[in-house]
Amino acid sequence: GENVEQHPSTLSVQEGDSAVIKCTYSDSASNYFPWYKQELGKRPQLIIDIRSNVGEKKDQRIAVTLNKTAKHFSLHITETQPEDSAVYFCAASGGNAGNMLTFGGGTRLMVKP
Amino acid sequence: DGGITQSPKYLFRKEGQNVTLSCEQNLNHDAMYWYRQDPGQGLRLIYYSQIVNDFQKGDIAEGYSVSREKKESFPLTVTSAQKNPTAFYLCASRRANYGYTFGSGTRLTVV
Repeated sequence: GENVEQHPSTLSVQEGDSAVIKCTYSDSASNYFPWYKQELGKRPQLIIDIRSNVGEKKDQRIAVTLNKTAKHFSLHITETQPEDSAVYFCAASGGNAGNMLTFGGGTRLMVKP
Repeated sequence: DGGITQSPKYLFRKEGQNVTLSCEQNLNHDAMYWYRQDPGQGLRLIYYSQIVNDFQKGDIAEGYSVSREKKESFPLTVTSAQKNPTAFYLCASRRANYGYTFGSGTRLTVV
C-alpha cells in the first residue's frame, strides 16, 4: 500500500521567516495530496491541496509544490506568524488505496515571536 | 462543525466497560473513517466504511467495533478488549477525490 514519509518531525523558526515541510510517497498512482493543520486539542483542518496534474498551488502565504517524478511534495509557509504554530500533516490518495488518505507522521511547527 | 458531528466531546470509561462514540454527517459522503490519536502522535486508522452496510479494518482495529446501518452514521464502540483506550478519537468523512472533513473529536479517558 501507500507509504508517506514526512520531515522534519519538529521545526522551529523565527517569526517572519519561511518554513518548509517535505513529504515523500511510494505509490506512483497517487493523484491527490492535501495538507492539514492541527492546533492543540482541535481537529485537523484542510489548509491546501494539490492534484497530480498541477506542479504548484498558492493561497496567500502558503504554497504546495509537487514533483511527480521524484514522488515528493512540499508545504511552504512564508512570513510565518505565531498563529502558524501547530502540527501539520501531509497525505496522499488515489492510488492503490483508492479513496483512502494515507497520512505522514506530522510536523510540529513552532514560530517564535 | 462543517457537517460532521461527534459526541460526546469528553468520555470517561471504567475498566471492563464498553463505550460507544457517535459520528453523524449531513454531507452526503459515502466514505467514513475512524482514527485514533495519542498525545504528540499521528493519526492511526481504526476502521473505515466506503458504503452503507460495509466496513473494513484499519491498522489498529483490535478492541474496537463499528456499524454502518445508515449513510449518515458511523458509530465506534470501544470494547473491554481494548486495554489502553485513552486517546483522542477523530471521525472523518470524504467525498471521492477530495480531502477529509473531520469531526471535532472525542477525548476518551479510562478512570
